[in-house]
Amino acid sequence: SQKIEQNSEALNIQEGKTATLTCNYTNYSPAYLQWYRQDPGRGPVFLLLIRENEKEKRKERLKVTFDTTLKQSLFHITASQPADSATYLCALDAGANNLFFGTGTRLTVIP
Amino acid sequence: DARVTQTPRHKVTEMGQEVTMRCQPILGHNTVFWYRQTMMQGLELLAYFRNRAPLDDSGMPKDRFSAEMPDATLATLKIQPSEPRDSAVYFCASGTTPTGSTEAFFGQGTRLTVV
Repeated sequence: SQKIEQNSEALNIQEGKTATLTCNYTNYSPAYLQWYRQDPGRGPVFLLLIRENEKEKRKERLKVTFDTTLKQSLFHITASQPADSATYLCALDAGANNLFFGTGTRLTVIP
Repeated sequence: DARVTQTPRHKVTEMGQEVTMRCQPILGHNTVFWYRQTMMQGLELLAYFRNRAPLDDSGMPKDRFSAEMPDATLATLKIQPSEPRDSAVYFCASGTTPTGSTEAFFGQGTRLTVV
């Protein structure tokens, strides 16, 4: 069966450190992978997209990698801040433009 | 400030009643998604539309759920009859595909409680 697993349900990290979140998938062949941020009581907000032929993408303090051999994406937040505390979701697009989401990782950045 | 608008924000209803949730996508967006979010299952894709045509509703229980786009400014999700297990937050999202993949803009959600 198809699965999208975000390995840590919750991750606590000290302010200033780099947070690394993992997204693993099975039985998908995504052409694109996206990352979203969700705050309590709100809808997810798009952050970054990476294509299957891209190894890495950066945006300000965010970095995403995509390894189609390992079937894994890593999402990094450098110099983390308490304002980065939220749930982060990965989403797979197999090319039909429908998006399937992982269950999310709740990140807490401790001052 | 363009955004996806969902109504109602909260709905409490009795089992067996009909529930209709509405969504106004962002003007110019040609793709609309409906998702359901629960603690146990996360975000589940129920249905999605492209240019108002339903492309995939395989995630939706067909016997009680229906999704439509009567026009480009309105998408609806209907549950009839509702059951307690339908209690969840229902999100609508709209988007375009500038990069080949749809970047989804989500509404605030409708929190549904069926008692």
